Amino acid sequence: EAQVTQNPRYLITVTGKKLTVTCSQNMNHEYMSWYRQDPGLGLRQIYYSMNVEVTDKGDVPEGYKVSRKEKRNFPLILESPSPNQTSLYFCASSLSYGARNTQYFGPGTRLTVL
Amino acid sequence: DAKTTQPPSMDCAEGRAANLPCNHSTISGNEYVYWYRQIHSQGPQYIIHGLKNNETNEMASLIITEDRKSSTLILPHATLRDTAVYYCIVRVVRGIIQGAQKLVFGQGTRLTINP
Repeated sequence: EAQVTQNPRYLITVTGKKLTVTCSQNMNHEYMSWYRQDPGLGLRQIYYSMNVEVTDKGDVPEGYKVSRKEKRNFPLILESPSPNQTSLYFCASSLSYGARNTQYFGPGTRLTVL
Repeated sequence: DAKTTQPPSMDCAEGRAANLPCNHSTISGNEYVYWYRQIHSQGPQYIIHGLKNNETNEMASLIITEDRKSSTLILPHATLRDTAVYYCIVRVVRGIIQGAQKLVFGQGTRLTINP
């Protein structure tokens, strides 16, 4: 089944403790992206990647890092999480980065930073 | 960036057609109109997209006005499972390589299907 998977689905952590949220897709997609969703603010793009080793900042990249060493994986790294990063996170992928390409979203990761 | 305007909420009776409007008066000629929906806090789900012509798939129909300043998503026979927040999105091109894109999600329309 074609899908985007994220792990963990739920995470409660404390300020400053490094964490990684994994994202994997099995559709051989080139384009992958991370979004966060907060009440009243909608979904906002954090980082995106157009292919292996090619990444760029989205609208809210502060406090996050990403890497794209393999085509299927696009982990989101929080080096020193803070409470304002408490949010619902979604990973998405599409075949390529053109405007005609549909993005497929993962199930989400709900992160709470205490 | 072209922005979209949607009503915050709508109701529709089960079995009826749900018509969700969207205004995008600043859309440019090469920007697509996309519709996604989000059921509760699940990942957004693609519904349909179009550029100029009307489009139909197994989920919905998309009607785009001739001037492209507005569109309507039509769910022909709404069911209770169609209760969700529906997002109308105009695809934006940005980034270090032309063609890189992001989805700009507004507040969407909360559609409630009533039995």
